[in-house]
Amino acid sequence: SQELEQSPQSLIVQEGKNLTINCTSSKTLYGLYWYKQKYGEGLIFLMMLQKGGEEKSHEKITAKLDEKKQQSSLHITASQPSHAGIYLCGADLPLQGGSEKLVFGKGTKLTVNP
Amino acid sequence: GAGVSQSPRYKVTKRGQDVALRCDPISGHVSLYWYRQALGQGPEFLTYFNYEAQQDKSGLPNDRFSAERPEGSISTLTIQRTEQRDSAMYRCASSLALGLAAQNTGELFFGEGSRLTVL
Repeated sequence: SQELEQSPQSLIVQEGKNLTINCTSSKTLYGLYWYKQKYGEGLIFLMMLQKGGEEKSHEKITAKLDEKKQQSSLHITASQPSHAGIYLCGADLPLQGGSEKLVFGKGTKLTVNP
Repeated sequence: GAGVSQSPRYKVTKRGQDVALRCDPISGHVSLYWYRQALGQGPEFLTYFNYEAQQDKSGLPNDRFSAERPEGSISTLTIQRTEQRDSAMYRCASSLALGLAAQNTGELFFGEGSRLTVL
């Protein structure tokens, strides 16, 4: 079962527009990861957030983790066709015995029209 | 190698056959993960290794699925008596450090996946 909810499931925007993708968990997140996936390719790491209120940026992409560490948003400014793909949020779930696993949401499919 | 390498990239098999999927992680990476991704879904955790030790196999769907990493490098995911519901993209990922929490960047390096189709 998916423990992370992403919204929207898909998004179509015009080039140059800003957009936001959300990721919500019912549990406190110990680590929140954003990945991007293009068709036929592996997942590409974007960034990781660990602290409540943390914000990171890379080029035109900004990710935030809320203070309660249960929700994260990914914001793209002035979108470009190269931003198109599937954006996945992942969460670090500690397990008994000290192990852990990274679980993912279902993803948000982004299309950017030129 | 430069990245995580998976083989075969595509595998078509008949129901009931066994398949073995191989993952060659980035040299020196300690942790290795296997995920399964169905169309339209996010990757689903299957199992992971630190060195040659299988740390967690809670995501393996049933006893037809097994994985090994005997020398702490290359890993093989084996599916016995395949069924149509096993059809999916199987992804391998590796990371430099032990576990996710130990890492500064939290980055998993993913391979391009092995797409399995069971007829």
